[in-house]
Amino acid sequence: DAGVIQSPRHEVTEMGQEVTLRCKLISGHNSLFWYRQTMMRGLELLIYFNNNVPIDDSGMPEDRFSAKMPNASFSTLKIQPSEPRDSAVYFCASSRDRGGGNTIYFGEGSWLTVV
Amino acid sequence: SQQGEEDPQALSIQEGENATMNCSYKTSINNLQWYRQNSGRGLVHLILIRSNEREKHSGRLRVTLDTSKKSSSLLITASRAADTASYFCATVPPSNTGKLIFGQGTTLQVKP
Repeated sequence: DAGVIQSPRHEVTEMGQEVTLRCKLISGHNSLFWYRQTMMRGLELLIYFNNNVPIDDSGMPEDRFSAKMPNASFSTLKIQPSEPRDSAVYFCASSRDRGGGNTIYFGEGSWLTVV
Repeated sequence: SQQGEEDPQALSIQEGENATMNCSYKTSINNLQWYRQNSGRGLVHLILIRSNEREKHSGRLRVTLDTSKKSSSLLITASRAADTASYFCATVPPSNTGKLIFGQGTTLQVKP
């Protein structure tokens, strides 16, 4: 059974460029979470969806960040334009329900460096 | 914003010893979960303890929860070098909306 699949695993881009991170949920899961991890701020919840609907996007840093779920099994996180301070590891995670009482499964992360 | 604070930030022990990590949080919770992260990898769920539970076991793991003190501890008994990783506590609010808020983590090194 495949886990949460993220791509790309590593990306180095120049400031000002658009970055798109992709995530495929585990089959049968209906909640999707995007987290960002840095040394300074730790793990931050950016946004989460339930049944394709954004439930809480209060963690999205600013308008440069946007996330979508075009279908039940796939999500994208876009940064446009990117800035050096966006450098971080971005994790996608999924769970079977709203995740409150169930396990959340994480992908391996997308390591983003903006130079 | 971070809900939990882990203590200590870093812990180094010898193989075979027990490792104890503590987590304190600020607001009421529905449940508290512990996760593990190996270097360069994603997080892996270890154990969940609900607000009405006080202790839970899973293999070599023992988790306690004291809601009056808003704190939890994770004990790993008979540690192994393979337990070397970062350990995070995460809380779910009473509304149980699925919003999992993580602490800063404890980095555990188990020396062979």
